[in-house]
Amino acid sequence: SQTIHQWPATLVQPVGSPLSLECTVEGTSNPNLYWYRQAAGRGLQLLFYSVGIGQISSEVPQNLSASRPQDRQFILSSKKLLLSDSGFYLCAWRGRDEGEQFFGPGTRLTVL
Amino acid sequence: SQQGEEDPQALSIQEGENATMNCSYKTSINNLQWYRQNSGRGLVHLILIRSNEREKHSGRLRVTLDTSKKSSSLLITASRAADTASYFCATDERFQKLVFGTGTRLLVSP
Repeated sequence: SQTIHQWPATLVQPVGSPLSLECTVEGTSNPNLYWYRQAAGRGLQLLFYSVGIGQISSEVPQNLSASRPQDRQFILSSKKLLLSDSGFYLCAWRGRDEGEQFFGPGTRLTVL
Repeated sequence: SQQGEEDPQALSIQEGENATMNCSYKTSINNLQWYRQNSGRGLVHLILIRSNEREKHSGRLRVTLDTSKKSSSLLITASRAADTASYFCATDERFQKLVFGTGTRLLVSP
């Protein structure tokens, strides 16, 4: 069966520090991968998605970046965090058909 | 960008009552999906309805889709306290990405 992992679960970082959030998927190959951010009490904002290794589509211009170094690994990064980067970050995957997305447990990021 | 808008933003009902949530969207879609999110957790897929379908059932869930009005509704029948969560609709335009709505927070009181 397929599983999706995200870590860390929670993170508190100072403004201006770097960020690296990792997402890995098991039990499937060649998935589409997604990074979302959710502000408190709000909906999901799609940040990046990837249809293959090294292929990244950015939905929202900002100081975040994403990379997909391996088929089932998706990384969200920042060189310098802003206060506005605080939020709940969710990784998700889906297969090549029109089916559902499967979400990871999320990372709660607080920038102080 | 968020295409879907859920209505109401929050809903409070008693156990045993039905809960109806609505979703409106703006562009043509291939399918529409509903997800549930418990507080502080990831989202869980509930049901998918294709653009050529008008109604779909899954257990206590009933979803309708009106593509002429660009709207969908999610009905949860005989609600339980465990149904307390946020519910999101998501539209699939090009089989590559989903665009999520703003969500409805449902509170079911015992």
